[in-house]
Amino acid sequence: AQSVTQLGSHVSVSEGALVLLRCNYSSSVPPYLFWYVQYPNQGLQLLLKYTTGATLVKGINGFEAEFKKSETSFHLTKPSAHMSDAAEYFCAVSQGAQKLVFGQGTRLTINP
Amino acid sequence: GAGVSQSPRYKVTKRGQDVTLRCDPISSHATLYWYQQALGQGPEFLTYFNYEAQPDKSGLPSDRFSAERPEGSISTLTIQRTEQRDSAMYRCASSLRVTANTGELFFGEGSRLTVL
Repeated sequence: AQSVTQLGSHVSVSEGALVLLRCNYSSSVPPYLFWYVQYPNQGLQLLLKYTTGATLVKGINGFEAEFKKSETSFHLTKPSAHMSDAAEYFCAVSQGAQKLVFGQGTRLTINP
Repeated sequence: GAGVSQSPRYKVTKRGQDVTLRCDPISSHATLYWYQQALGQGPEFLTYFNYEAQPDKSGLPSDRFSAERPEGSISTLTIQRTEQRDSAMYRCASSLRVTANTGELFFGEGSRLTVL
């Protein structure tokens, strides 16, 4: 069965600094990978996804993630953090046709 | 509707009571999912529907949990004889396509259940 591990339940960066949120997965088949973001009092929304093709995928709000099969990783990055990026971020892998398996989440705090 | 709507947003109940949560998906979406999210954890799959069919309910924790989508649109999740361990955020999501592999899930704001 697929699983996802997010390293660090809390990450804090300064405004303008690099954001790096780590995600490692386990999967016995080629995975489909996702990052979702949850802003306070809102539902989760898709940030970006990897299915096939280019391993560097770009998402909304300047985020991108790179699929590295050899490292079983799908880390999320943004070159310059903005105060509005403060949220909880979830990495997920598709398990079968209909299920997403989520990591435990990383809460991102941006310091002014 | 324009987005996925869940009700109630907050529910406090006493142990042993039955609770029903409601989800109104995006109107054009065929597939509807229920997830349970405990505090400090990621969402965990409960069940899903393709229209009114329920192909997979393997994530339901016990037979106290059941879900319906009788007309292929609005869905309800019912928890009978609630227990304190049922306290969680219950999230509904819908998608246009019948597969979640490449499709995007649209989540509602969730229903937070507290069992005293």
